[in-house]
Amino acid sequence: GQQLNQSPQSMFIQEGEDVSMNCTSSSIFNTWLWYKQDPGEGPVLLIALYKAGELTSNGRLTAQFGITRKDSFLNISASIPSDVGIYFCAGPENTGNQFYFGTGTSLTVIP
Amino acid sequence: ETGVTQSPTHLIKTRGQQVTLRCSSQSGHNTVSWYQQALGQGPQFIFQYYREEENGRGNFPPRFSGLQFPNYSSELNVNALELDDSALYLCASSVDRGLGNIQYFGAGTRLSVL
Repeated sequence: GQQLNQSPQSMFIQEGEDVSMNCTSSSIFNTWLWYKQDPGEGPVLLIALYKAGELTSNGRLTAQFGITRKDSFLNISASIPSDVGIYFCAGPENTGNQFYFGTGTSLTVIP
Repeated sequence: ETGVTQSPTHLIKTRGQQVTLRCSSQSGHNTVSWYQQALGQGPQFIFQYYREEENGRGNFPPRFSGLQFPNYSSELNVNALELDDSALYLCASSVDRGLGNIQYFGAGTRLSVL
């Protein structure tokens, strides 16, 4: 089946540093979503992308919908301790009958 | 707070038993999706319900079944539990059917199968 691969798998960074992570798929997506999950909680939507090439920001977060429609990128600027968590890319299959989450990127911010 | 509530929060069952998990969707949402999240992995889509009918299904066997009620709340039923069914089960609601719509997740039910 479809697999959304995220890299890196984990990151350990100093507070104040910028973070970049990406997500790739084997097939085309028409929608890319980025979620953050804290321990013991469900995922929370951060950014939604609906068009190839789209660049969208939400505060310190910026995400891009790759031109090939097979990848997406998430950047976090000036990281803070509350950015700690697991970040997932996600999206619906083109048929609209399936929904996929990526393998996740675990972020640790060192104060 | 997403307004999506799940019960129970934790559950322990033994292999072969049956389990029912419950979800109340956010006010105004008519669509509910269910996901299974094994430890250390991303959520896996089980199925979606829109207006009481299944509207999309992932690669899960028939012993995973669901219901949606007229008030849009939902149940996930799993029969003949297996050890590998141990996971966090997440429910998400959205304003309309279509898996591209924004989904709001509950905190999940942690199921342990012994």
